[in-house]
Amino acid sequence: GDSVTQTEGLVTLTEGLPVMLNCTYQTAYSTFLFWYVQHLNEAPKLLLKSSTDNKRTEHQGFHATLHKSSSSFHLQKSSAQLSDSALYYCALSENSGGSNYKLTFGKGTLLTVTP
Amino acid sequence: AQTIHQWPVAEIKAVGSPLSLGCTIKGKSSPNLYWYWQATGGTLQQLFYSITVGQVESVVQLNLSASRPKDDQFILSTEKLLLSHSGFYLCAWSLELGVYAEQFFGPGTRLTVL
Repeated sequence: GDSVTQTEGLVTLTEGLPVMLNCTYQTAYSTFLFWYVQHLNEAPKLLLKSSTDNKRTEHQGFHATLHKSSSSFHLQKSSAQLSDSALYYCALSENSGGSNYKLTFGKGTLLTVTP
Repeated sequence: AQTIHQWPVAEIKAVGSPLSLGCTIKGKSSPNLYWYWQATGGTLQQLFYSITVGQVESVVQLNLSASRPKDDQFILSTEKLLLSHSGFYLCAWSLELGVYAEQFFGPGTRLTVL
């Protein structure tokens, strides 16, 4: 079945440094990838999504490029802010049968940005 | 604007006791609804989905059941909790069906089974 791997469970950065959160995936069919962000005591919210190979997608200062050749969709930001501290999930969308479209999530990366 | 509400926010229950978790979506008619679960240290995985009132499909067998009694309501339940049911439960909805469709999540319910 499909799977998503986020290698870092916890990332701690100093404010102003660049952010890179890794995401790789395995899929037989679908290549629609999402990044969701969950701030403390809030619901996960969509940050980015893409299905286009080698095209950079940007939102709220974050960007990611889907690379089908390496099955990767890493999340990046040039300069971390304190407000970026949150749990980040990479997810793959797939049709799991019939009318169901489910998200297969990675385990999540907790990003903590310090002053 | 659409809102999604989950209840309770957190729950501590004994093994063998019943459970009912709820989710309500306001501001959207006929949403597609989903239940996700994350065990401590594990990955979020989809448990159930529903594309219409009265119809619920199971994705993963965890000795849980789900029902959709109203267009805007999704209920997750069991008559006997297991220790393995502990974790974080998220309700989600989407308006479209397709791999491109964004799913919108509720704030979640944290369940501890002792």
